[in-house]
Amino acid sequence: GAGVSQTPSNKVTEKGKYVELRCDPISGHTALYWYRQSLGQGPEFLIYFQGTGAADDSGLPNDRFFAVRPEGSVSTLKIQRTERGDSAVYLCASSLLRGETQYFGPGTRLLVL
Amino acid sequence: QQQVKQSPQSLIVQKGGISIINCAYENTAFDYFPWYQQFPGKGPALLIAIRPDVSEKKEGRFTISFNKSAKQFSLHIMDSQPGDSATYFCAARGGANNLFFGTGTRLTVIP
Repeated sequence: GAGVSQTPSNKVTEKGKYVELRCDPISGHTALYWYRQSLGQGPEFLIYFQGTGAADDSGLPNDRFFAVRPEGSVSTLKIQRTERGDSAVYLCASSLLRGETQYFGPGTRLLVL
Repeated sequence: QQQVKQSPQSLIVQKGGISIINCAYENTAFDYFPWYQQFPGKGPALLIAIRPDVSEKKEGRFTISFNKSAKQFSLHIMDSQPGDSATYFCAARGGANNLFFGTGTRLTVIP
């Protein structure tokens, strides 16, 4: 049943490598969000999808970050040329409709060495 | 710049006591104010939420007080229990539907 699921739960990579993080939203939820949570901080908004399209990507820190949601369900956050500063927990959330309650997944803990 | 300011950073309360966490915001376009509870290694879970046309909302032991003119809102946890020990985040929703979170309050309830 489930709630929002994210894979992998943990990812360790080396500086300069490419990583992909996956989010499976709650079935039927049309809105999907990515957030990044650094240690000791609250989640920070990255990008919001309504259906297949990115409705707001204003939170992406730079062009190394990109996200897709090709069929309006699963989403992948892609990070190119990773840097140590990218180390954080990447959270995905979904909501039934725009403006409804956002339900969060457990996150992917990314560590860039 | 931090759109939502939260205090205190940490809070220790005796079992049965009242826990109070405060938040303030500047953007009057925010239209929804949720509180999330987060346990270590887990994602945030919605606890309770309020809209700006209401001054108070209560659900069980949890109450949100909202002061629109002061642009402040707070979470009160009555009869605090050790199981309430977690990090609490206030948030505010912007026009694009994204949430702006506070920096979190780590609550410890001592038995």
